[in-house]
Amino acid sequence: QQPVQSPQAVILREGEDAVINCSSSKALYSVHWYRQKHGEAPVFLMILLKGGEQKGHEKISASFNEKKQQSSLYLTASQLSYSGTYFCGTEMPPSGGSNYKLTFGKGTLLTVNP
Amino acid sequence: GAVVSQHPSWVICKSGTSVKIECRSLDFQATTMFWYRQFPKQSLMLMATSNEGSKATYEQGVEKDKFLINHASLTLSTLTVTSAHPEDSSFYICSAIRAGPGQFFGPGTRLTVL
Repeated sequence: QQPVQSPQAVILREGEDAVINCSSSKALYSVHWYRQKHGEAPVFLMILLKGGEQKGHEKISASFNEKKQQSSLYLTASQLSYSGTYFCGTEMPPSGGSNYKLTFGKGTLLTVNP
Repeated sequence: GAVVSQHPSWVICKSGTSVKIECRSLDFQATTMFWYRQFPKQSLMLMATSNEGSKATYEQGVEKDKFLINHASLTLSTLTVTSAHPEDSSFYICSAIRAGPGQFFGPGTRLTVL
């Protein structure tokens, strides 16, 4: 089941903040976030495993609400280099150990302008 | 660490020919690799999971006989598109996992079938 991402696109000025959401209709084991620039491969940002867990990577952080089956990615004081398409990848609860298999959302196109 | 390469980076072929794409983990051993297909401005769609020394597991709707996957060693997986047709034109991306979180993606191979 493909997770739903919102918004589909967002345009920011440098220094502004943004939130990207990812929700699933099924119970999740983990949520992964990736950023892909045009014509390039996706780059791993972070993984969230536990309910209510938060993580950070520079000025990018994320939360995972296990009960609500959703995750949010927070970009603060955005930089030009943050531009790209952000994908969440969700992993279903494994029967025994992680199966590492991800289902990706449709992506959120983030554009940061000077 | 965690560098994944793909070869070739792009290929143009005639309809009916076969094309082989290589995915290598350069600085780690990958027991599991994944093959994705991405159409323009769309999400990554998992095609198959490739495990070293065993048959690949294909996603529903992916033809096993058309997309041949071989995972001959802990650092190499190959995807062969047999009898390629224009509708097979796409961006093919592999990823690999190692000990620790996240999938690490190759740079992708752009296939154009004339």
